[in-house]
Amino acid sequence: DAKTTQPPSMDCAEGRAANLPCNHSTISGNEYVYWYRQIHSQGPQYIIHGLKNNETNEMASLIITEDRKSSTLILPHATLRDTAVYYCIVRGTGATNKLIFGTGTLLAVQP
Amino acid sequence: EAGVAQSPRYKIIEKRQSVAFWCNPISGHATLYWYQQILGQGPKLLIQFQNNGVVDDSQLPKDRFSAERLKGVDSTLKIQPAKLEDSAVYLCASSKGQVTYEQYFGPGTRLTVT
Repeated sequence: DAKTTQPPSMDCAEGRAANLPCNHSTISGNEYVYWYRQIHSQGPQYIIHGLKNNETNEMASLIITEDRKSSTLILPHATLRDTAVYYCIVRGTGATNKLIFGTGTLLAVQP
Repeated sequence: EAGVAQSPRYKIIEKRQSVAFWCNPISGHATLYWYQQILGQGPKLLIQFQNNGVVDDSQLPKDRFSAERLKGVDSTLKIQPAKLEDSAVYLCASSKGQVTYEQYFGPGTRLTVT
């Protein structure tokens, strides 16, 4: 079972920041938080990951709370092409630790 | 660089028939994954290969599903015989190593069993 809880859907206006929350209250000390997204009819795409520090790359920023029980993915300037299902996944670093996808959040960017 | 290639993109078969899917991972990627994604759900891992050895096949229905990765490059996933509940998108992914963070996914094969 997925170890994360996400809202099933969210809306965002084009050009505005999209903030996608994720709850992972049972996360262990050596588990990372990953974000993937899946645009309609495509395979999932990696976005970002983090352990306890905030992370930023060319796609997004990841803010993890100090107690690590929740995180927020931020798309700073959402475009229509960001409309997708966003998956928040908790994963350990062992060789057999798998990506366990939940049902994610469907982000709809509105023009 | 070229991405993960999968074929066919779509397949329609009748129940009890057999079907095979092919995957060519990104060059140099040692780890290959097959996922099943049923409509409305997230992908579920079926099997993970490290080179040509199986790391995890705990979720693979072994009475009807089989997979191989000969020579540690291309891989095939087979279903024999297919059931209605096998209708799904079958996704192949690859990564540089087992604990590498990023998995690269192919476009998937949409299977419809009638």
